[in-house]
Amino acid sequence: AQSVTQPDIHITVSEGASLELRCNYSYGATPYLFWYVQSPGQGLQLLLKYFSGDTLVQGIKGFEAEFKRSQSSFNLRKPSVHWSDAAEYFCAVNSGGYQKVTFGTGTKLQVIP
Amino acid sequence: GAGVSQSPSNKVTEKGKDVELRCDPISGHTALYWYRQSLGQGLEFLIYFQGNSAPDKSGLPSDRFSAERTGGSVSTLTIQRTQQEDSAVYLCASSSHGGGASSYEQYFGPGTRLTVT
Repeated sequence: AQSVTQPDIHITVSEGASLELRCNYSYGATPYLFWYVQSPGQGLQLLLKYFSGDTLVQGIKGFEAEFKRSQSSFNLRKPSVHWSDAAEYFCAVNSGGYQKVTFGTGTKLQVIP
Repeated sequence: GAGVSQSPSNKVTEKGKDVELRCDPISGHTALYWYRQSLGQGLEFLIYFQGNSAPDKSGLPSDRFSAERTGGSVSTLTIQRTQQEDSAVYLCASSSHGGGASSYEQYFGPGTRLTVT
């Protein structure tokens, strides 16, 4: 069965610093992978997704993620964090067909001045 | 086109009462999900509908929770004999499955905030 792990519950970074949020999935074949963001009091918004092809995908708000099959990872990165990036980030996986999407438990990002 | 809509946006109910939460997915989306998000917590999967298949109810926390999806479109989540621990934001999402670059991307509604007093 597919599963996804976000090992970091909370992360704090300084504004302007780089960011990497970890996501590991468990699935035999190449899954569909997603990152969503939820700002305080807001709904979930898709940041980016990977289906196939180039393993480095670009998303909105300056985020990118890299699919690494050998590590079963899909880590989210941003070179320079802005205070407005403070939010909760969810990684999600889907194995295709009619399987449901599975979400990780989320990583809360705090940005300090 | 219109996104996923949910109603009501807020619901306050007394302990022991039944409540119904409604979700209108994006037209043509075959998959529909319900999630629960308690204060400060992540997403808790509740139930998944896909086309005419039997729903995946594996996330429903108790038999007080049920959901149906009529005509492959609108869905209603019903909570019977509400308890204070049911207080949370209930999110609905829909997606298309089975092909295309936009498949499997979930579109979320704004949620229903349920408060049980």
